[in-house]
Amino acid sequence: QQQVKQSPQSLIVQKGGIPIINCAYENTAFDYFPWYQQFPGKGPALLIAIRPDVSEKKEGRFTISFNKSAKQFSLHIMDSQPGDSATYFCAGGTSGGSNYKLTFGKGTLLTVNP
Amino acid sequence: NAGVTQTPKFRVLKTGQSMTLLCAQDMNHEYMYWYRQDPGMGLRLIHYSVGEGTTAKGEVPDGYNVSRLKKQNFLLGLESAAPSQTSVYFCASSYISGSWNFGYTFGSGTRLTVV
Repeated sequence: QQQVKQSPQSLIVQKGGIPIINCAYENTAFDYFPWYQQFPGKGPALLIAIRPDVSEKKEGRFTISFNKSAKQFSLHIMDSQPGDSATYFCAGGTSGGSNYKLTFGKGTLLTVNP
Repeated sequence: NAGVTQTPKFRVLKTGQSMTLLCAQDMNHEYMYWYRQDPGMGLRLIHYSVGEGTTAKGEVPDGYNVSRLKKQNFLLGLESAAPSQTSVYFCASSYISGSWNFGYTFGSGTRLTVV
């Protein structure tokens, strides 16, 4: 079973805090790890993605840290803002072959209080 | 830039009724997917298509059928709706760059209630 385990289920931080969301995967064939952000009533939207040949990727206030040996990756949000309040999904996918689909974690509901 | 459009946005069905959810994309993407989202369960893949005329089962295909007669459209059918199919349904499409499958683009969802 291709699983991506995501934690925590929910997270509350104060404005300016650094929420961290963790994911662990089982399928060693995964070589693409995106994070999606979903606001209420909307579809998920791609936030940032990483490949396993790098250990860290930054885009603005969002950073992915990747640990290939531990099969874990995490999302850090620097200087979090109330507008970052959303549900975040991690995912894993495999390039090549015919396995053109992503397996998603169960999501983390982030609340950033003013 | 429409992206991925899902219709309808909301629907209430009675148990045993049938319906079709339509997904249309205008990005010329090869791949299309149907997911369902339930509280605490994340996004679970129902069916997907890697090209016009092709479909494949995902993680939770039972009770659903799909068709991809045109590249831009992916239809999800419920033949006999059950309360367990109450959910928010998302369609997505994606493209390949080289051997990579990039950039899932999701629609805004269809909220379905089966009573």
